Amino acid sequence: QVQLQESGPGLVKPSGTLSLTCAVSGGSISSGNWWSWVRQPPGKGLEWIGEVSHSGSTNYNPSLKSRVTISVDKSEKQFSLKLTSVTAADTAMYYCAREGFGGNEHAFDIWGQGTMVTVSS
Amino acid sequence: QLVLTQSPSASASLGASVKLTCTLSSGHSNYGIAWHQQQPEKGPRYLMKLNSDGSHNKGDGIPDRFSGSSSGPERYLTISSLQSEDEADYYCQTWGTGIVVFGGGTKLTVL
Repeated sequence: QVQLQESGPGLVKPSGTLSLTCAVSGGSISSGNWWSWVRQPPGKGLEWIGEVSHSGSTNYNPSLKSRVTISVDKSEKQFSLKLTSVTAADTAMYYCAREGFGGNEHAFDIWGQGTMVTVSS
Repeated sequence: QLVLTQSPSASASLGASVKLTCTLSSGHSNYGIAWHQQQPEKGPRYLMKLNSDGSHNKGDGIPDRFSGSSSGPERYLTISSLQSEDEADYYCQTWGTGIVVFGGGTKLTVL
């Protein structure tokens, strides 16, 4: 079955760029699904960051849109997140997820285990 | 604006049943949602996708104790025969054109 694994630096300096990758294993990244990034600050709820389709189309949370880029690399079976100009408010657990139902249904059916990113000098 | 509203907390006794509610904002009462469970110190886990007509698609390995239903803008998650491992945060999630939204989550305590 499909599994997702996040990777990237656990510590980013303020004003820097947060870069994470989500590796897809056990299935195809080109199966018509959308792929999302979600974050969760310590002690708080889930926040959707944005999504990318297998063809590279994207949608972003309006509150983060100016700082976010999500891309897909089908040859490497992975998709990536870049968040620029980070501050302490971007400290969070970051999850990648698959929207597994296709069409216009963007329900998440598979989650990665998450990776903690701390913004600090 | 597409918004999901959840009560911050709920509690029920071991072995009992509990019904959690997720309410869709005005004008969105026909939207489907998904329910996710997050146990302490773990990542979220997909429970089910719940349609406006109450039909639902559960994730692999989700026990029959978990069921979903719908009424108007309300989407429900019912957990029967509560077990200690059901103590968790429960999030609902929905989607619109180019947007995905989470509810604030309900923290379920099993007494």
